[in-house]
Amino acid sequence: TQLLEQSPQFLSIQEGENLTVYCNSSSVFSSLQWYRQEPGEGPVLLVTVVTGGEVKKLKRLTFQFGDARKDSSLHITAAQPGDTGLYLCAGDPNNFGNEKLTFGTGTRLTIIP
Amino acid sequence: DAGVIQSPRHEVTEMGQEVTLRCKPISGHNSLFWYRQTMMRGLELLIYFNNNVPIDDSGMPEDRFSAKMPNASFSTLKIQPSEPRDSAVYFCASSQAGPVEEKLFFGSGTQLSVL
Repeated sequence: TQLLEQSPQFLSIQEGENLTVYCNSSSVFSSLQWYRQEPGEGPVLLVTVVTGGEVKKLKRLTFQFGDARKDSSLHITAAQPGDTGLYLCAGDPNNFGNEKLTFGTGTRLTIIP
Repeated sequence: DAGVIQSPRHEVTEMGQEVTLRCKPISGHNSLFWYRQTMMRGLELLIYFNNNVPIDDSGMPEDRFSAKMPNASFSTLKIQPSEPRDSAVYFCASSQAGPVEEKLFFGSGTQLSVL
């Protein structure tokens, strides 16, 4: 089993601040997905990164895939209360598709108004 | 589209009882997944169907768990008999398998509490 470790496990910051959360593994992934899960709901896909070193932006969110495709980061600029949720990364080890996705344990983010 | 629909949203039962969770995938999707989420273990894949056929059930924890997909628009996950350690949130997800990026859509989950 390929493990994905996310850090920090919990993060609570003030509205307007910037933050970065991390997803790390000792294994290589062909692609990596980031999800946000709000209380009482299922995870919602935010982005998929597939190329080592790739950077994708989604409004105030910036996602980066490590050069070696073993790690990824999510940076949020000027955090807003609507960003609150559980952020999950999920890796596909060998382009098998969703059936082989390994999910990280998540970072629980709280933005304080 | 209404998205992936799961029922019930909440289920409270006593140890030893049978529990059936239901899922309606997004119309046109040919892959269906059952996941379990707990604080300790995170999100774990239990079983995966493709075109209504179970492909990989290696994540099903015990014989007490079974899943069926009688048609493209309906799937069930059954636990019989249930135990307190089965308490978790169970998610159903669907996607359209193909040569391009397969986006996975999750339902809202069933919160199961076994007393």
